[in-house]
Amino acid sequence: DQQVKQNSPSLSVQEGRISILNCDYTNSMFDYFLWYKKYPAEGPTFLISISSIKDKNEDGRFTVFLNKSAKHLSLHIVPSQPGDSAVYFCAATGNTGKLIFGQGTTLQVKP
Amino acid sequence: DSGVTQTPKHLITATGQRVTLRCSPRSGDLSVYWYQQSLDQGLQFLIQYYNGEERAKGNILERFSAQQFPDLHSELNLSSLELGDSALYFCASSAQGRYFGEQFFGPGTRLTVL
Repeated sequence: DQQVKQNSPSLSVQEGRISILNCDYTNSMFDYFLWYKKYPAEGPTFLISISSIKDKNEDGRFTVFLNKSAKHLSLHIVPSQPGDSAVYFCAATGNTGKLIFGQGTTLQVKP
Repeated sequence: DSGVTQTPKHLITATGQRVTLRCSPRSGDLSVYWYQQSLDQGLQFLIQYYNGEERAKGNILERFSAQQFPDLHSELNLSSLELGDSALYFCASSAQGRYFGEQFFGPGTRLTVL
């Protein structure tokens, strides 16, 4: 049972444009959501998070939007840069403290 | 550099064997988490330890076990290895037992079972 889903395995955008990565979840008990970025041969690194009491959180070029009624969150990267090319994982957690990850979306930003 | 170290970086072994993966958390972090990433799969949570005690369990097989030592480093033991156990194994750490913020991941151990 995939509680966190990233339905797009890959995304390609032009440098300077907006990248939008999407994530859906099924468990209404999740109350904290995160995005991680992963480069090849490295472990995931934390990017940005959002609590379920908010619908938006912004950090520089990265903004995460949460739509609880739709059980959907998205990560916007504006403007996209070639160094943003990586695998992006969406993750969610609830009162158990366990992080449940999606399968990842590979973002390629073309110069 | 996340401050989390994992050894070895690569491990190649045969089916039926037993291996031990080691993780040292960031200085001061009490929680250690283990994850498995198989080909084309997301990160699957295996188990969490907090200050030496098991805190949460995920989809960890009975052939796998873990422990956290008094110095807070952790080991993941994988036994009776099968081809399907080939994967990247990540360790992560955080300060709290209950997750409030981000976990910091190590670089992973790539296990290949032949």
